[in-house]
Order: sequence, then structure tokens, then C-alpha cells
Amino acid sequence: AQSVTQLGSHVSVSEGALVLLRCNYSSSVPPYLFWYVQYPNQGLQLLLKYTSAATLVKGINGFEAEFKKSETSFHLTKPSAHMSDAAEYFCAVSDHSSSASKIIFGSGTRLSIRP
Amino acid sequence: NAGVTQTPKFQVLKTGQSMTLQCAQDMNHNSMYWYRQDPGMGLRLIYYSASEGTTDKGEVPNGYNVSRLNKREFSLRLESAAPSQTSVYFCASSEVGGSPSDTQYFGPGTRLTVL
Repeated sequence: AQSVTQLGSHVSVSEGALVLLRCNYSSSVPPYLFWYVQYPNQGLQLLLKYTSAATLVKGINGFEAEFKKSETSFHLTKPSAHMSDAAEYFCAVSDHSSSASKIIFGSGTRLSIRP
Repeated sequence: NAGVTQTPKFQVLKTGQSMTLQCAQDMNHNSMYWYRQDPGMGLRLIYYSASEGTTDKGEVPNGYNVSRLNKREFSLRLESAAPSQTSVYFCASSEVGGSPSDTQYFGPGTRLTVL
């Protein structure tokens, strides 16, 4: 069975500081991994995804994530936080158990940006 | 191109009342999903439809029913609402192909309160 664990339900950083959101996964098969972002009162949208083509994945809005098999991690980073990055971020892993493209979400990390 | 649309945006029900949440997508996607989002629990899959004419239970199906009316539309019905069903409900669809790496596209959500 597949699962993801997000470390830290709330992360606060200063504007201009490094953003690091942690995600560890468990999967019995080679995983596909996703980061989704949810801005206040909106649905989720894809930030980036890992599909085994490259271990360093670049996404929208300057975010990137690195797949590390040895650490079973897929942490999300951004070199310099902007106020507009304040949102909730979800890590997710593919569920290979059905013909649909099911994914399993982590519990989310709320990112706050201090001026 | 509206993407994934959901109606209504907000709803308040009394315990025991019934209602149907509507979802439609205009991206010609095969698979559609219903999730609920509760604080600290991420998104949990209620039901999904891998393709037109099929539906399957997800992680938390009790108290819900679904209908895949056609390729575009996927509705979620609460037959007898309970306070435990107070949540934000999201509909999503995924790209043609049914691959575990497919991106899911989300609607804006329905905020449901059951008194």
C-alpha cells in the first residue's frame, strides 16, 4: 500500500527566506509523486510531479522537489519565499491499485509568510 | 474552457435532509473523483469513476452515492445528511489514459454544513 507523511502541519518563514516543506512516502512499487497547492477558498492545483524522468523536478512559481529513493523523500523547496506563496501544500503518491489515476494525499502543510 | 465546475458553492442542510452535489468537466477526461477535505486530514477519496458507466468506492464511501451521468458529469448524493458529513467537497478529473502519473484537475469546492 502507498502512503505519504508530511512533517509539520504549519511552517512559517520570512519573505525572501528559503521554503522547505517535507514529504516522505511509502510505496511497494516505483512511485509517482505530486505536490499540489491550495490557495485560500480554492481548489487544488498541481505544482509539480515526479514520473521517473528526472529526480529533480521543477514546477510552477519557482518551486522544485527532489526525489530521493534512499531516503524515501520528496521535499518541496523554493529559494526565496514570496507573500503570494502563502497557501496549503499537499504531497501525494500514486495508487496503482485501480484503472483510474487514483492518488493518496498527505495531511497537508500550511505555509505562512512573515513580512 | 471552464475546467471542472461544481454546484452549489455553499449549502446548509438539516440532519436527515438529502441533496445532490453536481460536478462537470469539459476536458474530455475519462476519470472523475469525489473527495472530502477536513482539517488536518488532507483529502479523502469518497468515490471515483474510472470511465463512463463505472463507479467504485474510495476510502470513505459510507453515507454517499454517486452517478456518472455521462462522460462530463459526476454527481454525489447524500441521502440522509449527518453532522459528520460537514466538510468541503471537491470534484476532480484526470487526463485521458488512466495512467498513475496523470494529473488531477480540481473544481473550486462545495462547502457543506449539516446542522
